Amino acid sequence: EADIYQTPRYLVIGTGKKITLECSQTMGHDKMYWYQQDPGMELHLIHYSYGVNSTEKGDLSSESTVSRIRTEHFPLTLESARPSHTSQYLCASSQGTDSYEQYFGPGTRLTVT
Amino acid sequence: AQTVTQSQPEMSVQEAETVTLSCTYDTSESNYYLFWYKQPPSRQMILVIRQEAYKQQNATENRFSVNFQKAAKSFSLKISDSQLGDTAMYFCAFMKNNNNDMRFGAGTRLTVKP
Repeated sequence: EADIYQTPRYLVIGTGKKITLECSQTMGHDKMYWYQQDPGMELHLIHYSYGVNSTEKGDLSSESTVSRIRTEHFPLTLESARPSHTSQYLCASSQGTDSYEQYFGPGTRLTVT
Repeated sequence: AQTVTQSQPEMSVQEAETVTLSCTYDTSESNYYLFWYKQPPSRQMILVIRQEAYKQQNATENRFSVNFQKAAKSFSLKISDSQLGDTAMYFCAFMKNNNNDMRFGAGTRLTVKP
């Protein structure tokens, strides 16, 4: 399996709470991504980064924010969680050359009550 | 914008049999990459197979092979000698050349029955 980690794996929180989903990779990849995936559905890109201090929004509008202060770390933050944020969040990384393969973390399943 | 369509939400196959998962895509690009990813229940998504659009030869990886029809914009996945461990969601994905914006299909849930 790929060396990309996400914590927590499962999270249940109340409306209005601030949360941070962690993602780390040890492969030295420059490019990292956050996807949102509802159960049994396709993945939607919500944020990506091409390197340190680089962050961009994806196609799917999201109220979350990201930061990339270190190459290996790409956390996602929700300032005020709502039930509509209930979903699975997948982090991925890639070297961005040659095969362009993206390596995925195990995901964080978020439930906002 | 590129779109990826997987028309089979669910499929099943008997162990040791062969199954083909369909994928079509829409693009005006000539250079791009196509992928099949596997997402087992409660496990990480992993790459199954990859195809570069400029290559005419269909990619193969052990029991997994693709039928890439560039003119028809079709990219099906064939799994031979299906195993119980092949049970998973399978996602077809498209990416433009030199662009890491990967577009996924809605997925096909494959169940391999003993």
